[in-house]
Amino acid sequence: EAGVAQSPRYKIIEKRQSVAFWCNPISGHATLYWYQQILGQGPKLLIQFQNNGVVDDSQLPKDRFSAERLKGVDSTLKIQPAKLEDSAVYLCASSDLASRVGELFFGEGSRLTVL
Amino acid sequence: AQSVSQHNHHVILSEAASLELGCNYSYGGTVNLFWYVQYPGQHLQLLLKYFSGDPLVKGIKGFEAEFIKSKFSFNLRKPSVQWSDTAEYFCAVTTDSWGKFQFGAGTQVVVTP
Repeated sequence: EAGVAQSPRYKIIEKRQSVAFWCNPISGHATLYWYQQILGQGPKLLIQFQNNGVVDDSQLPKDRFSAERLKGVDSTLKIQPAKLEDSAVYLCASSDLASRVGELFFGEGSRLTVL
Repeated sequence: AQSVSQHNHHVILSEAASLELGCNYSYGGTVNLFWYVQYPGQHLQLLLKYFSGDPLVKGIKGFEAEFIKSKFSFNLRKPSVQWSDTAEYFCAVTTDSWGKFQFGAGTQVVVTP
């Protein structure tokens, strides 16, 4: 089966600019996650979708981050305006909780550098 | 709030040596436990998982992990590592059916020939 697709793989921007990341989950996976992974740390959940509804966005900095999952398939994560501390890898993951609870399938990530 | 602690940030060992990576979590209720691995240049992938039953679980590539409830631990082991086991290893915990994961900080393992 095709994996989780993410783009772009790399992005370099200056602070206060905006950036958007795109994710296409595995076909049929109802649950989609965005994680932020800062160098030397484990992935931190930003937002979790179940179909096109938000399950958890408690750790999403809503003053600058936004995410949507239109039609319950693809998702976009946006940062505006970016800060230096947003430099990280943004990981998208999907899962089919109904049949394989607990197994996340990750994309390769989008590495953001904010200068 | 629940947390996951991985004891070692970096481990260097020689091929054929035994590996044990520690993982402790802070949550008193029912947990589901996982180890994920990220090989150089690749995405995170599941190594093994524990939901219930036999506390000793076996995963891919000869890895196993033991759940010790009384110690809130889920340590990862491999009796004899290979150079190809060089990777970063993450312990993760979920405490509900919605699949909300808490990851540890990761352990970078380097296996020298």
